[in-house]
Amino acid sequence: EAGVTQFPSHSVIEKGQTVTLRCDPISGHDNLYWYRRVMGKEIKFLLHFVKESKQDESGMPNNRFLAERTGGTYSTLKVQPAELEDSGVYFCASSQARVVDEQYFGPGTRLTVT
Amino acid sequence: EDQVTQSPEALRLQEGESSSLNCSYTVSGLRGLFWYRQDPGKGPEFLFTLYSAGEEKEKERLKATLTKKESFLHITAPKPEDSATYLCAVQAGLGANSKLTFGKGITLSVRP
Repeated sequence: EAGVTQFPSHSVIEKGQTVTLRCDPISGHDNLYWYRRVMGKEIKFLLHFVKESKQDESGMPNNRFLAERTGGTYSTLKVQPAELEDSGVYFCASSQARVVDEQYFGPGTRLTVT
Repeated sequence: EDQVTQSPEALRLQEGESSSLNCSYTVSGLRGLFWYRQDPGKGPEFLFTLYSAGEEKEKERLKATLTKKESFLHITAPKPEDSATYLCAVQAGLGANSKLTFGKGITLSVRP
């Protein structure tokens, strides 16, 4: 069974540019999560999709971040315009629909904003 | 607000030297406590889920335990390949809220 995949693995952009990160969850997993780890800090929740609907977006830092999950399959996270403080590793995770769900993580996308 | 604290921040062991990693948590309504292993440049790899105080789970040289305030990850006779960062996370609250709240992790280094 294929795991969670993310693309690209690494992105370097200049301040003010736009970047789109992609996540493909494990097949059959309705729940999809985005998390972020900035240097020296813990991994923090950004948002949660159930199929194509946003269940919880309480962790999104501001309106420069836009997440979509069209058709309930893969998801994209767009940052526009990027700022220096957006640098970090962005993780995607997916899980089956259960009350307490084990979330399986992708390898992450390392975003560097210069 | 849910809080997870892991200690120590880093731990260096000799191969075969058993030890424990601590995860203290403060949450409203724990639904599950998770342990993950993370290798450099990779995503967190799921290890265990614990649901209630008193529960224990084992996998090879690892054993996870849970009380009402903390969890321990016991490592018995570690090997160099156990070197990694170990993350603790909690899932709490009611309803459909299922986000994980993570600690900062414990970096374990096992010398041969």
